[in-house]
Amino acid sequence: AQSVAQPEDQVNVAEGNPLTVKCTYSVSGNPYLFWYVQYPNRGLQFLLKYITGDNLVKGSYGFEAEFNKSQTSFHLKKPSALVSDSALYFCAVRDFPSNNNDMRFGAGTRLTVKP
Amino acid sequence: EAGVTQFPSHSVIEKGQTVTLRCDPISGHDNLYWYRRVMGKEIKFLLHFVKESKQDESGMPNNRFLAERTGGTYSTLKVQPAELEDSGVYFCASSPIGGVADTQYFGPGTRLTVL
Repeated sequence: AQSVAQPEDQVNVAEGNPLTVKCTYSVSGNPYLFWYVQYPNRGLQFLLKYITGDNLVKGSYGFEAEFNKSQTSFHLKKPSALVSDSALYFCAVRDFPSNNNDMRFGAGTRLTVKP
Repeated sequence: EAGVTQFPSHSVIEKGQTVTLRCDPISGHDNLYWYRRVMGKEIKFLLHFVKESKQDESGMPNNRFLAERTGGTYSTLKVQPAELEDSGVYFCASSPIGGVADTQYFGPGTRLTVL
């Protein structure tokens, strides 16, 4: 069965600095990888996904993520953090071919960007 | 286009009582999912509807949970009787196509507290 690990509960960065939110995964087949963000009192918002093709995926709000098969990672990155990026970030994976309904999420990483 | 909506946003009930959560998916989305996040842990899959049919309910924790999707539109998730460990945030998501590569769009969640 597939699984996701987000090794950091909390990430703190200063505004204007680059940020990285880490995600590693485990699948038996091919991974389909997703990043979602949850702002306070809001639902999960889709940021980006990797299905196939270019390992560097660009998403909403200037975020990008790099799929690294050898390291089984899909870290979320942004070159210059904004205070408004402060939120809870979730990585998720689906295993293909597999039961396509079972998307496994990580426990979430809380990102705090300080002015 | 309206997003996924959930009602209520918060519910506080006593152990043994019944609670019904409602989810209205994005119009035209045949696929509807329920997830739960308990105690700050990972978001876990509960079940998946395709139109009015339950495609996969392997994540439902026990028979105290009953989900329905009458007419293939909105869905309800009933917990009866509620237990303390049922406390958490219940998310609903919808998608138009289904399948491993499909993006799911999430609602804001219902925070359930069982006292």
